[in-house]
Amino acid sequence: DSGVTQTPKHLITATGQRVTLRCSPRSGDLSVYWYQQSLDQGLQFLIQYYNGEERAKGNILERFSAQQFPDLHSELNLSSLELGDSALYFCASTLTPEGRRMTFGSGTRLTVV
Amino acid sequence: AQTVTQSQPEMSVQEAETVTLSCTYDTSESDYYLFWYKQPPSRQMILVIRQEAYKQQNATENRFSVNFQKAAKSFSLKISDSQLGDAAMYFCACGGSNYKLTFGKGTLLTVNP
Repeated sequence: DSGVTQTPKHLITATGQRVTLRCSPRSGDLSVYWYQQSLDQGLQFLIQYYNGEERAKGNILERFSAQQFPDLHSELNLSSLELGDSALYFCASTLTPEGRRMTFGSGTRLTVV
Repeated sequence: AQTVTQSQPEMSVQEAETVTLSCTYDTSESDYYLFWYKQPPSRQMILVIRQEAYKQQNATENRFSVNFQKAAKSFSLKISDSQLGDAAMYFCACGGSNYKLTFGKGTLLTVNP
């Protein structure tokens, strides 16, 4: 157990739907990162939050959004889902914003049918 | 911007033997750091070893060591005394001041008994 908790582990939904992925960072960590792992794109950085504020943004689609709450947990919202959004979504956390000791959760497997 | 290249999609090794996984990277950052992550079938991303670019000494973690050649922008991982539990996908990653990690496409390591 890495200490980073992601729920749900698996999610199957239809095209056009909206889902929310949840992440609780490791105790004491203030920074949360979201990554997408797909067969064609590999592991791609989506977005980072540090202590509630957005810190960096990567290849995140406009249909996707995220936030970090006061208790430091984070949610990734995916809307108007397409087949190509099927992927493994990882959350990772670090104490500082620099991401030099990143601990990953076990991921949420999203399947869009 | 950063790029990470893993030129070996698959590698195999006999149990108890040594194997080296290759990684080259490119970055415009002067202060950066490099990682090897392991992803077993459980899909958990597990940090194997990390190296900060300003350190000349190669990092080691038990049976895992790196050969960091800064001028050549090379960062290979050596696994000694390979064990069946080492079988996994291995990802090389580079991080800099922009807080995100850029990953390579991965090398699938098979360990033969």
